[in-house]
Amino acid sequence: EDKVVQSPLSLVVHEGDTVTLNCSYEVTNFRSLLWYKQEKKAPTFLFMLTSSGIEKKSGRLSSILDKKELFSILNITATQTGDSAVYLCAVEANAGKSTFGDGTTLTVKP
Amino acid sequence: DAGVIQSPRHEVTEMGQEVTLRCKPISGHDYLFWYRQTMMRGLELLIYFNNNVPIDDSGMPEDRFSAKMPNASFSTLKIQPSEPRDSAVYFCASSPGVGAGELFFGEGSRLTVL
Repeated sequence: EDKVVQSPLSLVVHEGDTVTLNCSYEVTNFRSLLWYKQEKKAPTFLFMLTSSGIEKKSGRLSSILDKKELFSILNITATQTGDSAVYLCAVEANAGKSTFGDGTTLTVKP
Repeated sequence: DAGVIQSPRHEVTEMGQEVTLRCKPISGHDYLFWYRQTMMRGLELLIYFNNNVPIDDSGMPEDRFSAKMPNASFSTLKIQPSEPRDSAVYFCASSPGVGAGELFFGEGSRLTVL
């Protein structure tokens, strides 16, 4: 059975701090790993990673994948209160099935 | 495109009643997914379709749950009879295809079974 584990489950930081969120996985027929941000409604897409060692960046957010060690990290620098959300990691298998982790709840205090 | 459209947004019903949730995927997307989200269990995949055909329904909790996709623009998730433990947010998502990237989620249907 496919498995995605995220850590930590929750995190409280102050504005300006840098955070690192972790995602490890065990998936048959891995195709890609995706990060989503979920505020009060539906998850919204952040990154898709398919190759090891290639960093994806978008503003203050960045992510990288290690397919040998089966994990990914999501970094957020200079955090803002608007970064407060649940961050979800998902792994897509070749058949199109996406399995999600339980998420990391990030709270950024002013 | 309006995105993935789900209805109803909120439903409150009594135990034993039938519940039908509806989803219209993004036009041209070949994959449709039904997920359930709760605090205890996170985001769980219930079933997904490719070109209207169910591919994997191993996440459907039990026989009380059924899902159909009669055409490329419409899917339903039915719970009959409903139970309080079915209370959750049910998300529908669609995708252009395997490896195409993100899932596009609807706003979700929040179900409360009393």
